[in-house]
Amino acid sequence: DVKVTQSSRYLVKRTGEKVFLECVQDMDHENMFWYRQDPGLGLRLIYFSYDVKMKEKGDIPEGYSVSREKKERFSLILESASTNQTSMYLCASSFTRGGGSLYGYTFGSGTRLTVV
Amino acid sequence: KQEVTQIPAALSVPEGENLVLNCSFTDSAIYNLQWFRQDPGKGLTSLLLIQSSQREQTSGRLNASLDKSSGRSTLYIAASQPGDSATYLCAVINTGGFKTIFGAGTRLFVKA
Repeated sequence: DVKVTQSSRYLVKRTGEKVFLECVQDMDHENMFWYRQDPGLGLRLIYFSYDVKMKEKGDIPEGYSVSREKKERFSLILESASTNQTSMYLCASSFTRGGGSLYGYTFGSGTRLTVV
Repeated sequence: KQEVTQIPAALSVPEGENLVLNCSFTDSAIYNLQWFRQDPGKGLTSLLLIQSSQREQTSGRLNASLDKSSGRSTLYIAASQPGDSATYLCAVINTGGFKTIFGAGTRLFVKA
């Protein structure tokens, strides 16, 4: 069964800490994504990557960075965690079909991050 | 600009009832449409993906339809069960590029 694995289900971090969220997929997908999900705001795209070492900003990239050194791994970095980054973080992957369109998404199980 | 609306926002039904969840979108130039299920505190689980050239997809008790001309997709759940209680989201994947718009979801509660 194909999978997207997020390394932590729950994290509690202190304000100002540097936080790493890891995501690994085993489907050889070229595209990977980080979303955050908040009540009343839905899913919002933070960053995505369409190839190794490539990254693109999504709708809310401020306060975040990403790293994709290997095809299967996509990391989200909170440079200096703040309380407004308390959220559910979802990683997803996808492959590209004709015309450069995404076929569909496979999501990980999510990381609930609390910044205190 | 693509907008995706899911109605109703919440739904409570007795066990055994057949039900329909709706997803509307404003721009018909879509590539695919995907339905997900999300349990509280968990990630999104893909239920069905409909390509733009298809009219419907079926998996077990689930059937999803797509009508691009009217900007609508429906998810039909037959003989609902308490285990179907979850939030159901639709995602509209636009043609070319990486833009995907997710609906806000319909929260379903199936009473035993």
